[in-house]
Amino acid sequence: NAGVTQTPKFQVLKTGQSMTLQCAQDMNHNSMYWYRQDPGMGLRLIYYSASEGTTDKGEVPNGYNVSRLNKREFSLRLESAAPSQTSVYFCASSDGWGQSYEQYFGPGTRLTVT
Amino acid sequence: RKEVEQDPGPFNVPEGATVAFNCTYSNSASQSFFWYRQDCRKEPKLLMSVYSSGNEDGRFTAQLNRASQYISLLIRDSKLSDSATYLCVVNQGGSEKLVFGKGTKLTVNP
Repeated sequence: NAGVTQTPKFQVLKTGQSMTLQCAQDMNHNSMYWYRQDPGMGLRLIYYSASEGTTDKGEVPNGYNVSRLNKREFSLRLESAAPSQTSVYFCASSDGWGQSYEQYFGPGTRLTVT
Repeated sequence: RKEVEQDPGPFNVPEGATVAFNCTYSNSASQSFFWYRQDCRKEPKLLMSVYSSGNEDGRFTAQLNRASQYISLLIRDSKLSDSATYLCVVNQGGSEKLVFGKGTKLTVNP
């Protein structure tokens, strides 16, 4: 039982390059989330998916797209990377039912855009 | 007012000390409350949920005051391994989305 996994762990991009961050969970959770974490800013929600086939914007969606490929997988795409997207990206999942809203996080992807 | 506000810290305490973290939240419709712990360069991990009646898990005690929209975390007999950043987390009222405080860094010294 791996929980939430993310790939890659580290990535360096040049401005304008694109990439996709992958996330998968094996807890049969309905909801999945993408966050970014910057020094002094805390965790900010980029996009989330309450169920397979649905996605919604979070607090900071500009410059990102997401795909909920199936119940297990939720990917985050940067179409044209900018230095402002240098950050640590975390994927999380939760059961999303009743009041059990606790989320479980993957190990993160450290992205640097030069 | 920010949705979730925490003591900015940092807190530096000796081993064995008792330390308390405080947090306030702005949305009175929030229903779920948590404390997460984040080690340096690692992902946040759920430390404990916070219930209206208060709850305890070993050396950790969490309290919730809905009337004051205030949450606390008490750590007794602190250990070196408690050194981390503690995040106060609240759901957006009526939503499963969580809002994270910026965290309070704790360093326990020998």
